Amino acid sequence: KQEVTQIPAALSVPEGENLVLNCSFTDSAIYNLQWFRQDPGKGLTSLLLIQSSQREQTSGRLNASLDKSSGRSTLYIAASQPGDSATYLCAVRNTGGFKTIFGAGTRLFVKA
Amino acid sequence: ETGVTQSPTHLIKTRGQQVTLRCSSQSGHNTVSWYQQALGQGPQFIFQYYREEENGRGNFPPRFSGLQFPNYSSELNVNALELDDSALYLCASSLASSGIETQYFGPGTRLLVL
Repeated sequence: KQEVTQIPAALSVPEGENLVLNCSFTDSAIYNLQWFRQDPGKGLTSLLLIQSSQREQTSGRLNASLDKSSGRSTLYIAASQPGDSATYLCAVRNTGGFKTIFGAGTRLFVKA
Repeated sequence: ETGVTQSPTHLIKTRGQQVTLRCSSQSGHNTVSWYQQALGQGPQFIFQYYREEENGRGNFPPRFSGLQFPNYSSELNVNALELDDSALYLCASSLASSGIETQYFGPGTRLLVL
């Protein structure tokens, strides 16, 4: 049974700092892994999707990596800004499956 | 914006009642998934519909049911509401045949059961 864990649960950093959010999963037979952003009380915004054959994806200040063998993904945020404050969710879809399994998220607060 | 809309945005019901939530998929998407997100938790998969047929279900009881219509809009129905059904309900659409399968989420419906 696939389980997704995100560490840390919450993070507070000063503006301008580079930071890394961690995601681990127990079953390496994944189809893809996706990082989302969620603002309070809102829906999810897709940030980056990494297919199982890929090692990383980049979009602007965001870079996501995937290491299937170790069951890990990281989301790197460069030069953090107060507008980056949100909950970041990691989600995996298993090979041959239809379910997307989410972690509980990391709540990020970037102080001005 | 993702192009996925949900209605209503907020809803208050009492225990034992029934509720219907609606989702309009992004244009051209033939797959819709529904999720329940309790406060402080990640979304939990309820079920998925592909071309009007349910093709996958999570660990939710039968009182959670759904429909997908020919225009690919969708409904989530919950019967005999319980207090623990209070949550944010999210729908997500995707183009199953794309090979990329990015899911695009709607803003959610917040349900409160009293």
